[in-house]
Amino acid sequence: DTAVSQTPKYLVTQMGNDKSIKCEQNLGHDTMYWYKQDSKKFLKIMFSYNNKELIINETVPNRFSPKSPDKAHLNLHINSLELGDSAVYFCASSQGDRGGYGYTFGSGTRLTVV
Amino acid sequence: DAKTTQPTSMDCAEGRAANLPCNHSTISGNEYVYWYRQIHSQGPQYIIHGLKNNETNEMASLIITEDRKSSTLILPHATLRDTAVYYCIVRPRGGGTSYGKLTFGQGTILTVHP
Repeated sequence: DTAVSQTPKYLVTQMGNDKSIKCEQNLGHDTMYWYKQDSKKFLKIMFSYNNKELIINETVPNRFSPKSPDKAHLNLHINSLELGDSAVYFCASSQGDRGGYGYTFGSGTRLTVV
Repeated sequence: DAKTTQPTSMDCAEGRAANLPCNHSTISGNEYVYWYRQIHSQGPQYIIHGLKNNETNEMASLIITEDRKSSTLILPHATLRDTAVYYCIVRPRGGGTSYGKLTFGQGTILTVHP
């Protein structure tokens, strides 16, 4: 039973398209996150949601819009995709802010914009 | 969150202990040391954390110096499957202005060879 699952695992799309990545966690956690890992392998937080409320927005372009319909889901919608959006996107969850303990990450969505 | 410094890469023979150092000389009293690892093409995985005492779990041991300015993650009997990027993260446990945010540095690429 996958704790944090993301779909799709791979996404290839053309510039200018709009796409969504879905994330679901079955751990009962109340906080969910989106991280981006670029080609240089740096892993950076994009958003965090606690109980469906946006907590962190790390100066991500407006083209990225997270949506949390409930505590178990955090989806990422991206409008007008650009080449620079190509990266691996990881969803994660935790029970509150426990410093760094018990954060669970999904296996990632590799987005390629051509 | 305190800044951390880790070697870029390390090698280890299979079956031997892997000792991964981390410097965090600006760590403050309420900050914990967390270790995560990222195996190729997977999401980061929590390993262990500690405040000032040494810690051990089924995956690894964490040795924190008395002045807390550095720590060492020990994988007692490294296997090929331990080949990964290891991240040392220092942050307070709970609350703060960056709720839930984990800041990943470059990490150490550990290669375990036969």
